[in-house]
Amino acid sequence: GAVVSQHPSWVICKSGTSVKIECRSLDFQATTMFWYRQFPKQSLMLMATSNEGSKATYEQGVEKDKFLINHASLTLSTLTVTSAHPEDSSFYICSAAPGTSGGQETQYFGPGTRLLVL
Amino acid sequence: LAKTTQPISMDSYEGQEVNITCSHNNIATNDYITWYQQFPSQGPRFIIQGYKTKVTNEVASLFIPADRKSSTLSLPRVSLSDTAVYYCLVVARGGYQKVTFGTGTKLQVIP
Repeated sequence: GAVVSQHPSWVICKSGTSVKIECRSLDFQATTMFWYRQFPKQSLMLMATSNEGSKATYEQGVEKDKFLINHASLTLSTLTVTSAHPEDSSFYICSAAPGTSGGQETQYFGPGTRLLVL
Repeated sequence: LAKTTQPISMDSYEGQEVNITCSHNNIATNDYITWYQQFPSQGPRFIIQGYKTKVTNEVASLFIPADRKSSTLSLPRVSLSDTAVYYCLVVARGGYQKVTFGTGTKLQVIP
C-alpha cells in the first residue's frame, strides 16, 4: 500500500533555531503534498499545500516566511520551521495522494513529527 | 470545502458494533466520503472511502444514503485497540484537493 514517511519522528530544539522536517512518499510519486499541524487534543489544521516544482500555497494565518516548504522532487517535501519558538511546539503531519489526477485517490498520512521548542 | 459534523465522543463496550454518523449537508457531486482513524501521536490512518450506497472492507463498512448528506461508519465488534479518534472527511475527486478536518469523534471502548 501507499506509505508516507517523516523524519525525524521527534525533535527538541532551542528557541531561535531552525528545524527541518522531511516528508517522503516511499512507494509512489506525489506532485502534491500537504502539511498539517495538530495541537494537543485538537484536530489537524492544514498549514499549506506543497506543489512539486512550484511555490507552496499557504492557508490563511500561516506565515510563509516562518514555515518554509520545498517540494524538490516527486517523492520529497520538506518543512522548515525557521527561528522556532515555544509556541511552534506541535505535532506536524504531512500527507500525499498517489496516482494521477482525475481519480478518487486517497490521501495517505505520515506518522507525524513531534516538535518541542525549549 | 464541505463541512462535516460528527459527535464529539462515543463510548462502547468491547464486542459491540459501533456506528458513527457524519453529517455533510453541502457535499458536492464530485465529492467522496473518507474516514480516517487516529491514535495519539500518530498520523491518521485511512479506513474506508465511498461515494454512495454501501462499501465494505476488512475493517469497516460505510453506509451512504441516496441524498449523500450523511454517512455512517460501522465498526463490527470493537476491541480496546479501536479506541481512537475517527474523522469523517469530504474529499473532492482527484485526491489533490485540500481537505478540512472537523473535530472528529473520540471513541472510547470499555472492557
